[in-house]
Formats: sequence, C-alpha cells, structure tokens
Amino acid sequence: EPEVTQTPSHQVTQMGQEVILRCVPISNHLYFYWYRQILGQKVEFLVSFYNNEISEKSEIFDDQFSVERPDGSNFTLKIRSTKLEDSAMYFCASSEASPQYFGPGTRLTVL
Amino acid sequence: RKEVEQDPGPFNVPEGATVAFNCTYSNSASQSFFWYRQDCRKEPKLLMSVYSSGNEDGRFTAQLNRASQYISLLIRDSKLSDSATYLCAVKDTNAGKSTFGDGTTLTVKP
Repeated sequence: EPEVTQTPSHQVTQMGQEVILRCVPISNHLYFYWYRQILGQKVEFLVSFYNNEISEKSEIFDDQFSVERPDGSNFTLKIRSTKLEDSAMYFCASSEASPQYFGPGTRLTVL
Repeated sequence: RKEVEQDPGPFNVPEGATVAFNCTYSNSASQSFFWYRQDCRKEPKLLMSVYSSGNEDGRFTAQLNRASQYISLLIRDSKLSDSATYLCAVKDTNAGKSTFGDGTTLTVKP
C-alpha cells in the first residue's frame, strides 16, 4: 500500500538556524499539505500546495516558512530562522482530492 | 466558537463495551468529514470517511447529521487495541485543508 514518507524522523536544531523537512507524497496524488502538532495540542494546518503553487495557507505560515516541490517526488517545508515555539511534530499529507493521508512526521526540536 | 469541537473525554471503558464519540462543526457549508485515529506521537491514520447516509466498517459506525452539524463515531465490542486518540476532521472543500478537533482519548481496559 503506498504511503507518504518523511525525513528526517527527528531534527534537532539551534534557535535561528534553518531547517528543511522533506516529504515524498503518494505518487498519484496531486494535493500536498503540511500540518504541525505541538505536543499535547491539536493538529493544525499550515499550508496546501497544488499545481506547483500554494493554494491556501494559515496564519501560522508566515514569512519564515516556505514550501517547494523541487522535483517530481519531493515536497519540502523550509523554516528559515527557527524559534523555540517551532518545536513540534510536522506532518506532511497528500490526497487525490479527499481524504488526506499523513506521513509519519518529523519531530523538530529547537534548542 | 471552535470550528470543530469534540467530546473532551477521556473515555475509559472495559473491553467489549460500546462507546460513542461526538463532534460538532461550525461551518454549515462544510463538505467532507472524517474520523482519524492517532496513537501517541504518531501520525493521524484515516479510520473512515463519514457519509450523509451513515457508514459502517466492521465494529465502527459513523454518522453525519448536517442539520445539527455533528458527526459521530460508534465503536462496538471495544478491543484493547482500540485505545488511541480519535480525531474528527472537517473539510470545507474536497481538496482543501482539514480542520481537526482536539481529539478524544479512549482507553480500553481488560
């Protein structure tokens, strides 16, 4: 059964550093998403991506965040200057339309 | 008012019990509804989509009431392995973002 994959599973970084989180969506899916979940809190939408452009973004997705589909398989989330409050699980998801299927997540720890 | 609101829980039930979770949503134009299961520190896994006519998958039954803007999940004959957090998710458009509730934690005890 095809799955969304994400790397790395855990990323530790210093405040102010840049991180890139990587995702490989399910191959025939056209819609891609990033969500985050701060420990003990709910899953929150960050951004959706379709046809090589952002289709929707939340208030959380400010100028420090960017997304890219650099080739035919990868979908990346870049956080330019990490803050302590960026520590969370970041989930990538993909869909043909509906529903969405989630990857295993990257745990980001900002020190 | 929260966009998606779930029973706060937690629910602690014995094996074999029947348990029901409810979820309400604020946008009457919402189009798609789902239940996900999330184990500790893992990703949400799709449990089932929820259709207007109601749908069943083994021990799990989902219902949608558009007039009252709520969805429900019924688990019959609970197993220890059903212990998890159950997330309600709502989409306003088919390909759009999912909005999640806070989740309801279920613990099934022997």
